[in-house]
Amino acid sequence: NAGVTQTPKFQVLKTGQSMTLQCAQDMNHNSMYWYRQDPGMGLRLIYYSASEGTTDKGEVPNGYNVSRLNKREFSLRLESAAPSQTSVYFCASSAIAGHTDTQYFGPGTRLTVL
Amino acid sequence: AQSVAQPEDQVNVAEGNPLTVKCTYSVSGNPYLFWYVQYPNRGLQFLLKYITGDNLVKGSYGFEAEFNKSQTSFHLKKPSALVSDSALYFCAVRDTGSARQLTFGSGTQLTVLP
Repeated sequence: NAGVTQTPKFQVLKTGQSMTLQCAQDMNHNSMYWYRQDPGMGLRLIYYSASEGTTDKGEVPNGYNVSRLNKREFSLRLESAAPSQTSVYFCASSAIAGHTDTQYFGPGTRLTVL
Repeated sequence: AQSVAQPEDQVNVAEGNPLTVKCTYSVSGNPYLFWYVQYPNRGLQFLLKYITGDNLVKGSYGFEAEFNKSQTSFHLKKPSALVSDSALYFCAVRDTGSARQLTFGSGTQLTVLP
């Protein structure tokens, strides 16, 4: 099993450009998440999908959109990138979106917006 | 609202010595607590979690954590540190009142000196 995979690993954008970050999991998990990691701030939740067909905002959703394409895939889109979106982005999944469930993380995408 | 504090940005310990990485939390209901480790340029890896029951939780790679309700703490410990334990450690919490969101601390960089 590959677990959680993310593409691309690195990306450089100019301000105003758009891009989509891809995430896939092969653990048959129902729930998926997108986080951003900034120095000294831990991880902050952008959006999550408790189950296929549903998405909800997290702590920092502004400037992002998501699509739960199917049970395996959950993409994150930046419509008009800004320098403040320079960050490392992590996708995660869990069996269900329950209080006790463990989340499993992908390797991350390092995004720089110039 | 739930929150997590990791009061030490950096912890240094000599190889073979015991290590402690501190975490305190604040929740409105019952806490569900997690520890993750992040190696350079990698995603987060799950170490252990406290849900209920025994206050001492054992996890991967010889790590354990002690839940202390009166002090609202969940410190990570290991009896004998290895150089390979050097990494960034994150504490995270959910409570019974949260909308599935996992709140992370800011992280503690552990360096084990040979």
